[in-house]
Amino acid sequence: DIQMTQSPSSLSASVGDRVTITCRASQAISSSLAWYQQQPGKAPKSLIYAASSLQNGVPSKFTGSGSGTDFTLTISSLQPEDFATYYCQQYYSYPFTFGPGTKVDIK
Amino acid sequence: EVQLVESGGGFVQPGGSLRLSCAASGFSLSNHWMTWVRQAPQKGLEWLANITPDGSNINYVDSVKGRFTISRDTSKNLLYLQMNSLRAEDTAVYFCGRHRGPDLWGQGTQVTVSP
Repeated sequence: DIQMTQSPSSLSASVGDRVTITCRASQAISSSLAWYQQQPGKAPKSLIYAASSLQNGVPSKFTGSGSGTDFTLTISSLQPEDFATYYCQQYYSYPFTFGPGTKVDIK
Repeated sequence: EVQLVESGGGFVQPGGSLRLSCAASGFSLSNHWMTWVRQAPQKGLEWLANITPDGSNINYVDSVKGRFTISRDTSKNLLYLQMNSLRAEDTAVYFCGRHRGPDLWGQGTQVTVSP
């Protein structure tokens, strides 16, 4: 199975900050990576697919990059609604696997 | 409106069974990969299974293989997850999603397995 890791596991940031979350796959997954945002008690929301493509309706402050084994999600100018947990997921090889999540909270 | 709505969750004893449903509206299941994902209390997301648009190919994570079955009724536009031999560790919120890396998620349905 492909193992997904994320760093950091949590971070504290202020409104207006730029934050970057890293996701690493245990083997190459091409660009078969998605990013999700999850608010407490809610369903995940898709942000990015194919490593860098923005889902319809997602603001351009979210940027995904990377290929192979190393990927990043960057949120420019953090807003109150962005404080949440972020997950990456590989859909290159079965079983598809998620990273453990990165919790972004308010400093 | 394009949406997914899960139902069928509840409380069940270990060894019991449940069938979850996922009603799709605004699009046809027969045109999309469909996925089940779960989230145990205070834990991360776990991919469980998916089914191809034509229903010809199904994949499962090892922890549910042989116990859970994904299926669909395209005439009703419903996705199912039949869960047998349930264990305490299956306690979670279960989500259905559209696509292999879901772009659309349902709101989730709670499954609790306890004596």
